[in-house]
Amino acid sequence: GESVGLHLPTLSVQEGDNSIINCAYSNSASDYFIWYKQESGKGPQFIIDIRSNMDKRQGQRVTVLLNKTVKHLSLQIAATQPGDSAVYFCAENPTGANNLFFGTGTRLTVIP
Amino acid sequence: EAGVVQSPRYKIIEKKQPVAFWCNPISGHNTLYWYRQNLGQGPELLIRYENEEAVDDSQLPKDRFSAERLKGVDSTLKIQPAELGDSAVYLCASSLDPLRPQHFGDGTRLSIL
Repeated sequence: GESVGLHLPTLSVQEGDNSIINCAYSNSASDYFIWYKQESGKGPQFIIDIRSNMDKRQGQRVTVLLNKTVKHLSLQIAATQPGDSAVYFCAENPTGANNLFFGTGTRLTVIP
Repeated sequence: EAGVVQSPRYKIIEKKQPVAFWCNPISGHNTLYWYRQNLGQGPELLIRYENEEAVDDSQLPKDRFSAERLKGVDSTLKIQPAELGDSAVYLCASSLDPLRPQHFGDGTRLSIL
């Protein structure tokens, strides 16, 4: 099966600092990647996606970086706020699979 | 735009009992997914529908799990009989097509006694 892993299971940051959440993926054929945020008792919420023909994509306060050489994905959150506290998942869609494979997740805690 | 709606939010049953979950996807989304999420883990796909056709059910335990998506809109996922190991959150997601972002409902938390 596919394997999508995260380097750190937990991350604590001070409010106002930038956060970086990392993710390693195993399938070099994956061509689509998504970051999700999941708050307690809720379903995963789409944050940002990126396709393999790009190495960077920016949204509102978030940036996703894709390094296909080392099969690494990261999510950067600028000026982290208490409302950003949640579990963050990266997910990959291998070419032809049309399905997402999720990692275990990283719990981000923002310290006021 | 209304999101993916799931019901019930919580369900507690005794083992060996049947249980069903319902999902209403985002209007216009042809692709519908059912996932299972165990505590502390990411969601795992159970089944994917393209309109009313189940195109990937390879991870669905077919001896006890079944799903349907009549008319290509709402979907139900059933477990019969439920086992202790089925305790999890069952998530439904939908997307315009498989290569677009999936949008999730808030899930049904199932507890088996």
